[in-house]
Amino acid sequence: EVQLVESGGGLVKPGGSLRLSCAASGFTFSSYSMNWVRQAPGKGLEWVSYISTSSNYIYYADSVKGRFTISRDNTQNSLSLQMNSLRAEDTAVYYCARAASADDWGQGTLVTVSS
Amino acid sequence: DIQMTQSPSSLSASVGDRVTITCRASQGIRNDLGWYQQKPGKAPKRLIYAASSLQSGVPSRFSGSGSGTEFTLTISSLQPEDFATYYCLQHNNYPLTFGGGTKVEIK
Repeated sequence: EVQLVESGGGLVKPGGSLRLSCAASGFTFSSYSMNWVRQAPGKGLEWVSYISTSSNYIYYADSVKGRFTISRDNTQNSLSLQMNSLRAEDTAVYYCARAASADDWGQGTLVTVSS
Repeated sequence: DIQMTQSPSSLSASVGDRVTITCRASQGIRNDLGWYQQKPGKAPKRLIYAASSLQSGVPSRFSGSGSGTEFTLTISSLQPEDFATYYCLQHNNYPLTFGGGTKVEIK
């Protein structure tokens, strides 16, 4: 069974940093590209970032470019999102989603940016 | 960027009703589209992939159709557990883009 478990969310002040993690199990992690997707409270889904299987291709939404960094460790079956210079508008539940087609999702971790 | 226009944004329906939700892409995306169901406080769950293929374990009352720029999700006979918000997602090109969502409520 595919399992994706996010962690690392919490309350952070504007301008602060946070690192999210996604632990993967139940499939060959190194064979799948991965995405981060977020959802602000009461809003729709927004794609954040993509990383290919070998980290050769990385893409970001314009809204986070230059502030967020996606990475992966295929030896540890883990995906990360380093978030710097956080803003109030980054407040959201952050999901990791498997593959370019986003077939499986984790349960999400809440990031709240507030003073 | 590819824009996904989803309609309606909300609808009220009764158990047993046939429900149709549409997504229109701003440019052709072949069949690189999925449909997702999201219930409050839960992660999205994929129902349909490649525009018309039913995800394993998903009831057959859900179906998808379309290719290119016009896509449809149909629920043939709405059940109580189907009241939720539905999203389309195009993965033809980055940035990935979602439709705005359709909230299906009880009439």
